[in-house]
Amino acid sequence: EAGVAQSPRYKIIEKRQSVAFWCNPISGHATLYWYQQILGQGPKLLIQFQNNGVVDDSQLPKDRFSAERLKGVDSTLKIQPAKLEDSAVYLCASSPLGRNYGYTFGSGTRLTVV
Amino acid sequence: AQSVAQPEDQVNVAEGNPLTVKCTYSVSGNPYLFWYVQYPNRGLQFLLKYITGNNLVKGSYGFEAEFNKSQTSFHLKKPSALVSDSALYFCAVRGGGYSTLTFGKGTMLLVSP
Repeated sequence: EAGVAQSPRYKIIEKRQSVAFWCNPISGHATLYWYQQILGQGPKLLIQFQNNGVVDDSQLPKDRFSAERLKGVDSTLKIQPAKLEDSAVYLCASSPLGRNYGYTFGSGTRLTVV
Repeated sequence: AQSVAQPEDQVNVAEGNPLTVKCTYSVSGNPYLFWYVQYPNRGLQFLLKYITGNNLVKGSYGFEAEFNKSQTSFHLKKPSALVSDSALYFCAVRGGGYSTLTFGKGTMLLVSP
């Protein structure tokens, strides 16, 4: 089966600019996650979707981050305006419904804010 | 709140020797435990999981992990390390309900020839 697709792979922007990341999960996976991985740290959940509804966005900085999953398939994560501390790898993952399943991750988007 | 501790930033082992990467966790209810590996510039790849049953679980690439409920640990092991095992390893846990995976900070494994 095809994996989780993410684009772009790399992005460099100046602070206060905006940026968007795209994710296409594995076909049939109801749940989609966006994680932020700062260098030297483990991935931190930003938002979880189940189909096209938000399940958990408690750690999403809503003043600058937004995400949507239209039609319950692919998803976009946007940052506007970006700050230097947003420099990180943004990982998208998907899984079937149920706690028994692990996640399948995409290759991530490496964002550098200068 | 659920949490994962990986006490070692880095583990060094010689090729052919056994390796252990440590993980302890804190979660409400029964734990669902996972190990992932990350190679440079790649996403996380699933290695193995513990849901229930046998405390020793086997996974990809010859890795295994032992669940110890009394010590709240889930250490990753391999009997004979390969240079190609060098990578960043993450332990993750989820508890009851719709809780998502919480990851540890990662342990860098370096296997020397």
